Amino acid sequence: EADIYQTPRYLVIGTGKKITLECSQTMGHDKMYWYQQDPGMELHLIHYSYGVNSTEKGDLSSESTVSRIRTEHFPLTLESARPSHTSQYLCASSENLALYGYTFGSGTRLTVV
Amino acid sequence: AQRVTQPEKLLSVFKGAPVELKCNYSYSGSPELFWYVQYSRQRLQLLLRHISRESIKGFTADLNKGETSFHLKKPFAQEEDSAMYYCALLGRGGGNKLTFGTGTQLKVEL
Repeated sequence: EADIYQTPRYLVIGTGKKITLECSQTMGHDKMYWYQQDPGMELHLIHYSYGVNSTEKGDLSSESTVSRIRTEHFPLTLESARPSHTSQYLCASSENLALYGYTFGSGTRLTVV
Repeated sequence: AQRVTQPEKLLSVFKGAPVELKCNYSYSGSPELFWYVQYSRQRLQLLLRHISRESIKGFTADLNKGETSFHLKKPFAQEEDSAMYYCALLGRGGGNKLTFGTGTQLKVEL
């Protein structure tokens, strides 16, 4: 089924660990996005990509990095997790933003202890 | 710079009462606007788009350029409407990305 998938759904990890949050979509969308959202708060764009080998930083500064080697895959990596990284991370993709907006994944809730 | 303002963090109404979720935007050009909804334990999903002028689940939203608003309305609230609602703006020249408001939690009481 064409969709966008995020794994893991929940992650509790210790300070200093390296983590990668996975995001994959099977819809063939060129544009993909990562947002950070604290509970009940607004969404902040941290990274986006317009296609393979294209990555840009978003409006909110983030210590995370992303890569886009394949159209369907847009992983987010934190080299050394800290408690300040505790948040929900939402991945989204789009075929035509004006017509269809984003399709969101289910999110990864990250807790760094 | 583009900005979306949702002035109410929480809106509580009784079942059957009219609902209006406010959204104001700041953008110098012609915006495209969206409403997203997040039901409990579900992912964010598109509710409706300004460009299509549609009514989804009884909700409508009209773009008022003079007041720079895109309020979401429903004449009779249902219990299943209880959710978090986000207004979002696509501004030309700001790249292909959406700017979201802070969201309004709608609670429909019996």
